[in-house]
Amino acid sequence: DQQVKQNSPSLSVQEGRISILNCDYTNSMFDYFLWYKKYPAEGPTFLISISSIKDKNEDGRFTVFLNKSAKHLSLHIVPSQPGDSAVYFCAASLQGGSEKLVFGKGTKLTVNP
Amino acid sequence: DVKVTQSSRYLVKRTGEKVFLECVQDMDHENMFWYRQDPGLGLRLIYFSYDVKMKEKGDIPEGYSVSREKKERFSLILESASTNQTSMYLCASSVPSGSSYEQYFGPGTRLTVT
Repeated sequence: DQQVKQNSPSLSVQEGRISILNCDYTNSMFDYFLWYKKYPAEGPTFLISISSIKDKNEDGRFTVFLNKSAKHLSLHIVPSQPGDSAVYFCAASLQGGSEKLVFGKGTKLTVNP
Repeated sequence: DVKVTQSSRYLVKRTGEKVFLECVQDMDHENMFWYRQDPGLGLRLIYFSYDVKMKEKGDIPEGYSVSREKKERFSLILESASTNQTSMYLCASSVPSGSSYEQYFGPGTRLTVT
């Protein structure tokens, strides 16, 4: 049973345009969400996070939106740059301070010059 | 600066061999994790440890064991390597939740079992 779903395996956008990566979850007990970026042959690196008490968090070109009623979050990258080409993982943590993260399967973003 | 290191970037082993993957973190983190990453399957948790000598099974522990004798070091052991354990193995660490859920990852070990 996949609790965190990234339904788009890949996404291609033009440099300078907006990239929108989506993530859905099924467990209403998730209360903290994170996005990680992963380049080939490297470990994932933390990008941005959001608590369930918020609906938006912004960090430079990256914004995460959370819609709790729809159990949906999205990562917006504006403007997209070729260096943003990577696999993006959505992750969620359970209420009550679970130490574990549940990861989605990832979306491969390609930003074309 | 946060640092998680893994003993090898690339490893080739034969079926049936016992394989040790080592992970060291220098952040004094209590929690450490082992994942494997496979195309189309994302990151799947194998084991995690929340303290020295403490461990908990993740989603796919079969065929693996772990050891944590010191706080900074977490080892993943493949008791008898099989070809379906060919994968990218990622180690991570974190502080106890409540302050941050962020996990810090090492660079990964690409293991090939032939």
